[in-house]
Amino acid sequence: GAVVSQHPSRVICKSGTSVKIECRSLDFQATTMFWYRQFPKQSLMLMATSNEGSKATYEQGVEKDKFLINHASLTLSTLTVTSAHPEDSSFYICSASLRGDPRNEQFFGPGTRLTVL
Amino acid sequence: GENVEQHPSTLSVQEGDSAVIKCTYSDSASNYFPWYKQELGKRPQLIIDIRSNVGEKKDQRIAVTLNKTAKHFSLHITETQPEDSAVYFCAASMSPMLTGGGNKLTFGTGTQLKVEL
Repeated sequence: GAVVSQHPSRVICKSGTSVKIECRSLDFQATTMFWYRQFPKQSLMLMATSNEGSKATYEQGVEKDKFLINHASLTLSTLTVTSAHPEDSSFYICSASLRGDPRNEQFFGPGTRLTVL
Repeated sequence: GENVEQHPSTLSVQEGDSAVIKCTYSDSASNYFPWYKQELGKRPQLIIDIRSNVGEKKDQRIAVTLNKTAKHFSLHITETQPEDSAVYFCAASMSPMLTGGGNKLTFGTGTQLKVEL
């Protein structure tokens, strides 16, 4: 149980285009979903916290107009990178936490490798 | 906000030896400390976690210790094997009740563990 999927796993796009990444909790209802970015040989940096039906909370330094997050249901959150540039190339990972889990455990998706040419 | 420091950044051990990775955190309100193993290009995998009401937890070859007073926690891997080679991340989180709903993780900077034959 507690499986999180991401789609696509890999995407290459041209500079200036927008890319949408989907994160789904397959067998549970996720109260909260998180979006992380990971550059090569670096740690996971939280970009935003997404609660179903409400606006996402962005971390300091993350542009909310560039990284649009929508959490329309308890099983789906999307991240749209708008007007992507080469510096946005990174590994984007989502995670989801289980409603009512006192351990606060987060279940991670497999990640999406974004390359902006 | 929370700040998590992790040492060492790289660690090489001989197969069969023990490996120890240490982390410190800054926010005394943090109460959940997971450890993740991440292989190249893959999602982080939870390998063990500990809550602040426990000082030590063990699962086969892996153990975690927590010193809440000093705000230190450590990962211990005994009888290391080549398949233990990966990047390990510590993280800290606090109860959703304290954060108003989000249980965001703050990650350490990671340790590249290499187990040599």
